[in-house]
Amino acid sequence: AQKVTQAQTEISVVEKEDVTLDCVYETRDTTYYLFWYKQPPSGELVFLIRRNSFDEQNEISGRYSWNFQKSTSSFNFTITASQVVDSAVYFCALSETNSGGSNYKLTFGKGTLLTVNP
Amino acid sequence: ETGVTQSPTHLIKTRGQQVTLRCSSQSGHNTVSWYQQALGQGPQFIFQYYREEENGRGNFPPRFSGLQFPNYSSELNVNALELDDSALYLCASSLALWKNSPLHFGNGTRLTVT
Repeated sequence: AQKVTQAQTEISVVEKEDVTLDCVYETRDTTYYLFWYKQPPSGELVFLIRRNSFDEQNEISGRYSWNFQKSTSSFNFTITASQVVDSAVYFCALSETNSGGSNYKLTFGKGTLLTVNP
Repeated sequence: ETGVTQSPTHLIKTRGQQVTLRCSSQSGHNTVSWYQQALGQGPQFIFQYYREEENGRGNFPPRFSGLQFPNYSSELNVNALELDDSALYLCASSLALWKNSPLHFGNGTRLTVT
């Protein structure tokens, strides 16, 4: 069965610190997608990144970077020089393929609450 | 490009009642998924619709049902509401192939069952 583990329930940092959010996953699919979403207090899930299982290149987008390591089934997310506006719950998610071969479902981790203090 | 919109924003129902939640998918998206997010938890997959047909279902009882319309908008219906159905219900739309588009979520409907 698919599983996503975000071992860090809560993280608290001071503004400008770097912070890494961990994500470990389990799947039997050979092709899958990994996602990170941000959920601010307003409740909307904001898409941050999608990564294909065949693409292990790390990605950087501004202050955000992602480290995908298939060998350890991990897809970690780093925020550099954190800001108060980064405070939110962050979810890692894993796609699942149905018998017809289409991606139909995301399995989410329980989320990490990040608090960035001024 | 309009995003995913859900209505209503908040809803209070009594145990045993029925509720209908609505979702308009992002322009051009033909697939809609519904998720339930209990307080302090990650979203849980309820079901997905593609071109008006159910394309997968999570571990939810039959009293959770859905529809997708020709314009790709969708409804989630829950019958015989229970207290544990209190949650944020999230709708997400996408193209059929996720390699071509990620899931975009709406702001959700917060359902409280008393």
